[in-house]
Amino acid sequence: DAKTTQPTSMDCAEGRAANLPCNHSTISGNEYVYWYRQIHSQGPQYIIHGLKNNETNEMASLIITEDRKSSTLILPHATLRDTAVYYCIVRVEGSGNTGKLIFGQGTTLQVKP
Amino acid sequence: GAGVSQSPSNKVTEKGKDVELRCDPISGHTALYWYRQSLGQGLEFLIYFQGNSAPDKSGLPSDRFSAERTGGSVSTLTIQRTQQEDSAVYLCASSLLVGTNEQFFGPGTRLTVL
Repeated sequence: DAKTTQPTSMDCAEGRAANLPCNHSTISGNEYVYWYRQIHSQGPQYIIHGLKNNETNEMASLIITEDRKSSTLILPHATLRDTAVYYCIVRVEGSGNTGKLIFGQGTTLQVKP
Repeated sequence: GAGVSQSPSNKVTEKGKDVELRCDPISGHTALYWYRQSLGQGLEFLIYFQGNSAPDKSGLPSDRFSAERTGGSVSTLTIQRTQQEDSAVYLCASSLLVGTNEQFFGPGTRLTVL
């Protein structure tokens, strides 16, 4: 699975959009971009994933550049409960893939009042 | 149950003792994963089960670590002759099918080896 690079930490004001970047310059054509987050003392939580098109769900939006070498997770209106470590992961899907997740160090997002 | 459950939530043991950690996945989920998270470290894959297929044990750090999944449901992670470096939070996750989008994680078991 491709390696990802994320900033170690970021701050965001409550109510504002949080934009979390991720670089995955060695991503392969069949690798998806996944985002998980881990709130303190809890297990990780799935947020969103995509291949090449931008994706949106009730939690967040995922913007993937046209060359797929980077992406941005957007939390449109951050709340204090969004304070967590956010992990960007790339992995292959489909038969023959175990689906194991390779976590990096992630970005610690601190939402401030 | 609504989600993945793990027991115990906390376990303190002495160096050299064996421990067993339990995971109850979401009913109907065929894939089950074990990860661990050491203090200040990221999450590390340990082992994966899918139905009746042979498990992927590629992440187990040593032969002191083993895991079973009985009847395609409950899983037990066993650590023999525990060492202080085994201290970590052990997380279990399940997904409906192998390689599908979302893995649902349990709250973890915090293991402390004195």
